[in-house]
Amino acid sequence: TQLLEQSPQFLSIQEGENLTVYCNSSSVFSSLQWYRQEPGEGPVLLVTVVTGGEVKKLKRLTFQFGDARKDSSLHITAAQPGDTGLYLCAGSLYNNNDMRFGAGTRLTVKP
Amino acid sequence: NAGVTQTPKFQVLKTGQSMTLQCAQDMNHEYMSWYRQDPGMGLRLIHYSVGAGITDQGEVPNGYNVSRSTTEDFPLRLLSAAPSQTSVYFCASSISGVNSPLHFGNGTRLTVT
Repeated sequence: TQLLEQSPQFLSIQEGENLTVYCNSSSVFSSLQWYRQEPGEGPVLLVTVVTGGEVKKLKRLTFQFGDARKDSSLHITAAQPGDTGLYLCAGSLYNNNDMRFGAGTRLTVKP
Repeated sequence: NAGVTQTPKFQVLKTGQSMTLQCAQDMNHEYMSWYRQDPGMGLRLIHYSVGAGITDQGEVPNGYNVSRSTTEDFPLRLLSAAPSQTSVYFCASSISGVNSPLHFGNGTRLTVT
């Protein structure tokens, strides 16, 4: 069982649609990070959320950290083909130096 | 800056062989870590280091050894490769630990036959 559960595992949508992906856990995290990974490359950080209830926006991407610091969501507005990739959430537990990742959501945006 | 450099990019081993995956960073980052990525399982932490001379186990450490003699380098050793170690391996670093952004290398694809 993974510490962080991401859903959906796969998502295929048309250009211009909106979508939300979820990252859930029963554990409390000191922070959560979202990464995007493209084929043949390592993940690249999109955002870090630290405060419970925090909302961060990055152009068409909106990230939310749950009030209880156990979950997070990523919402993309008007998706574009360039958004295609594997989206990973990652979290660190309090008093712990390791960062755990979810299995990821593989997003495909069709033109 | 080169960032995080991993070598080799591809490697094929026979069961029982040993090898070292190299990872070097030029950003003077204190924290370094190794992950393996398998389909449907995401990235799983193997070992990490919070500074030179200090290493610790992650989620899946069995079959792997690490050392951190310098700030820049964090090699991962497979002492006796097994088919279950077939995976893509990523090295990552951050300036001061898990609450700082992780910078990843481009991975080493390892196949054990």
